[in-house]
Amino acid sequence: AQKITQTQPGMFVQEKEAVTLDCTYDTSDPSYGLFWYKQPSSGEMIFLIYQGSYDQQNATEGRYSLNFQKARKSANLVISASQLGDSAMYFCAMREGPVTNAGKSTFGDGTTLTVKP
Amino acid sequence: DTAVSQTPKYLVTQMGNDKSIKCEQNLGHDTMYWYKQDSKKFLKIMFSYNNKELIINETVPNRFSPKSPDKAHLNLHINSLELGDSAVYFCASSQGFSATGELFFGEGSRLTVL
Repeated sequence: AQKITQTQPGMFVQEKEAVTLDCTYDTSDPSYGLFWYKQPSSGEMIFLIYQGSYDQQNATEGRYSLNFQKARKSANLVISASQLGDSAMYFCAMREGPVTNAGKSTFGDGTTLTVKP
Repeated sequence: DTAVSQTPKYLVTQMGNDKSIKCEQNLGHDTMYWYKQDSKKFLKIMFSYNNKELIINETVPNRFSPKSPDKAHLNLHINSLELGDSAVYFCASSQGFSATGELFFGEGSRLTVL
């Protein structure tokens, strides 16, 4: 079974609007971390935001927030006030604890976001 | 000062050749990884080392041999290259291998096998 599922291969958003990128995950480990990374067309991988499984509040980093719904096993990324530079591929990833998976990060298939002017 | 650096950035080579990619991190992390990103952009872990010891080996063909001379370096040697090895190989590092802590990626090494 896929551990990380991103169901939106591609998304479009108008500049200055908000957009939500979906991510669901599957684990039986009570201790895990959820991450979002951005990969622009230049190819580098950029860390955006982290949510721990025990965190009570949703993580926020500037224009990025993570909508964490533990019971639904979802960790959606919300980008507010989209900018042209947000056009990129976005990956959701999960790290399970050292006992379960030696801290391996498993990545979703990615969502390509295009911001329209 | 680049945190995780990989060399070379590009490799173009013929089938059957052997090639190496080097990775160094100056973040003081104790865990390093190799990931492969294929043409469809799928990212898959290949190996992970913690303090020079192999902790993850994801059913990668034994033509791929990682080596970690110290915790700041992780190299990848590939023997008898095949067309299917064409991909971008990312080195990454993290502090420890708990569930917390993001990965710090190198810029990637694009390997093209002709």
